[in-house]
Amino acid sequence: DTEVTQTPKHLVMGMTNKKSLKCEQHMGHRAMYWYKQKAKKPPELMFVYSYEKLSINESVPSRFSPECPNSSLLNLHLHALQPEDSALYLCASSQDAQFYGYTFGSGTRLTVV
Amino acid sequence: AQSVTQLDSQVPVFEEAPVELRCNYSSSVSVYLFWYVQYPNQGLQLLLKYLSGSTLVKGINGFEAEFNKSQTSFHLRKPSVHISDTAEYFCAVSETGGFKTIFGAGTRLFVKA
Repeated sequence: DTEVTQTPKHLVMGMTNKKSLKCEQHMGHRAMYWYKQKAKKPPELMFVYSYEKLSINESVPSRFSPECPNSSLLNLHLHALQPEDSALYLCASSQDAQFYGYTFGSGTRLTVV
Repeated sequence: AQSVTQLDSQVPVFEEAPVELRCNYSSSVSVYLFWYVQYPNQGLQLLLKYLSGSTLVKGINGFEAEFNKSQTSFHLRKPSVHISDTAEYFCAVSETGGFKTIFGAGTRLFVKA
């Protein structure tokens, strides 16, 4: 299995809703990442987990809450989002260092209304 | 701190013509260099990477890139493009051994029949 699987593919949520994005990989990668990508822009790093521990938080607002329950799963919990949070949310994984580059999922297209 | 500059935001080219997408980077430490491709409504896919050794790197789909340390460049080339190569291409850099990758702004390659 050489894929990163993200669910759901599309999500529409109101500003008072709570939702979660899920990411799964079975490649034995020990680093997992959340990126946010706005239209016609490069991906922006949000969080990095290494060996299931949060190692980088790029000053992301607390309405985004990451969770890594085990080495194969990564969640992003969403609460009280704003319309400007609408974007493509990409999950990625890599071996325990950057040596081999990232494997990206196909993303979750989030719309906040 | 590292930075990446992709010198062209859009590159239109006719089918079967050669193409070069330009990338320059800056860093005070040794880095790994990557090119990723993103097709519409998809995640990013690793095209190729430079880690060390030979400065000419070959990747998937007939792409190759050349690392030039003196000019701090990592340009992407393909001798003959296809319609299916139409996509967004991102140059990226990361510190060796680090988890953080910095992406360039992207170059939109548009292949015309």
